[in-house]
Amino acid sequence: NAGVTQTPKFQVLKTGQSMTLQCAQDMNHEYMSWYRQDPGMGLRLIHYSVGAGITDQGEVPNGYNVSRSTTEDFPLRLLSAAPSQTSVYFCASSPTLGRQGSAGNTIYFGEGSWLTVV
Amino acid sequence: RKEVEQDPGPFNVPEGATVAFNCTYSNSASQSFFWYRQDCRKEPKLLMSVYSSGNEDGRFTAQLNRASQYISLLIRDSKLSDSATYLCVVKWDNYGQNFVFGPGTRLSVLP
Repeated sequence: NAGVTQTPKFQVLKTGQSMTLQCAQDMNHEYMSWYRQDPGMGLRLIHYSVGAGITDQGEVPNGYNVSRSTTEDFPLRLLSAAPSQTSVYFCASSPTLGRQGSAGNTIYFGEGSWLTVV
Repeated sequence: RKEVEQDPGPFNVPEGATVAFNCTYSNSASQSFFWYRQDCRKEPKLLMSVYSSGNEDGRFTAQLNRASQYISLLIRDSKLSDSATYLCVVKWDNYGQNFVFGPGTRLSVLP
């Protein structure tokens, strides 16, 4: 019963380094997304995907890249880490084309990745 | 104006108290509404969906007022384990995936 799995859970990067946060889901959800959560800011959407081969930008995409080669995986790449990218990152997935009013049409989160850029 | 706004909190209440959280949203085309719970250093998890007629799940009651674009969550007989941050979540339509999250309201239930 894995759901949404993120790795790593904790990471410290130096400014300018690049890295990839991995995300996988085993629920056959078409929709996947990445959020960052900062104190007082709530969850902000970075990038999202509505299916394999399709990605789009969210509210705060700068400095991040994504790809969606399979339904299961949605990695987030930090191209050149900056201290402003210190945050908690959550990967999430959701089934698309939910029935109107369906309680199943909700979003499920991974456990989060704590990233510090020094 | 933020798309989803919540009581700023934090709320500190004694065990057994009743506490109410309020949420307003700006997009009148919003179709689905949820309350999520987030424990410290954990991921958000669905607490309950919010239906137009209002709905109840044990000690938790959610209400929706579409005319006022207002959602509420009532917790009765608060338990220590209810201490968490409560997120109001609005979805613009049921066929896209435009989830918008409020900033959350932190609740501390005190012994």
